[in-house]
Amino acid sequence: KNQVEQSPQSLIILEGKNCTLQCNYTVSPFSNLRWYKQDTGRGPVSLTIMTFSENTKSNGRYTATLDADTKQSSLHITASQLSDSASYICVVSPPNDYKLSFGAGTTVTVRA
Amino acid sequence: DAGVIQSPRHEVTEMGQEVTLRCKPISGHDYLFWYRQTMMRGLELLIYFNNNVPIDDSGMPEDRFSAKMPNASFSTLKIQPSEPRDSAVYFCASSFFVHEETQYFGPGTRLLVL
Repeated sequence: KNQVEQSPQSLIILEGKNCTLQCNYTVSPFSNLRWYKQDTGRGPVSLTIMTFSENTKSNGRYTATLDADTKQSSLHITASQLSDSASYICVVSPPNDYKLSFGAGTTVTVRA
Repeated sequence: DAGVIQSPRHEVTEMGQEVTLRCKPISGHDYLFWYRQTMMRGLELLIYFNNNVPIDDSGMPEDRFSAKMPNASFSTLKIQPSEPRDSAVYFCASSFFVHEETQYFGPGTRLLVL
C-alpha cells in the first residue's frame, strides 16, 4: 500500500478560482514533506518544503499546510492561472533516509 | 546553472534493442538518482550514486537494467534487452546531500519500446 495518498486524482477549475489538494501519509516518523509541481513533459520542481514542526509554508499563490498529528497536508492554489495546469505531487522524506515516498499526484487543469 | 540535463528527450525503439539514457547532474551535487515514472506506479527510485559510487540499486527492476557513473558530471542508465513494459519516463535527479535535501529533477527521457 502506498504510504502517500493524494486526492482528488484530478480536478478542473476555472481561471481565477481557488482549489485545494489533499495529501494523507502514513510515513512515520518523517523529516519533511514537499509539494512538487510537474508540468507536462517536464521533471518535478519543488514548490514548498515543510519540516514536521511547521504548519504552513507559502510560495507565491501556493500555500501548503501540514498537520503532523493527523498526518495530512494540503496545497492551496489561490487565484489560479492557466500556467497552474500541472500535476502536483506530495513527497514525504523519512529522517536520515534518501528513499522518498511519492504520492501518485493530482492533475490540475485550469480553464479560461 | 543549466540544471540537470538528460538526453535523449524521447526514444522509440524496438523490443530487444539496447537503450542508453544519459544524465548530467548539476555541478557540485554529490548525489545522483535515477527514477522511473509510469501512470500505474508513479515515481520509483531505481538507483542512486554518491560521489560516483552506486549506493543502492535495489530499485532496479532486473538484470536488464544497469547504471554507471564514470565521473561526477555524467551517468548512464542502460536497458539491454529492452521490453515493451520498460516504456516509461526516466528521470535523473541530483542533490547536494542525500538526506532531507531537495532533489533537482531533469526533464526526463520518454521511452517507448515497441
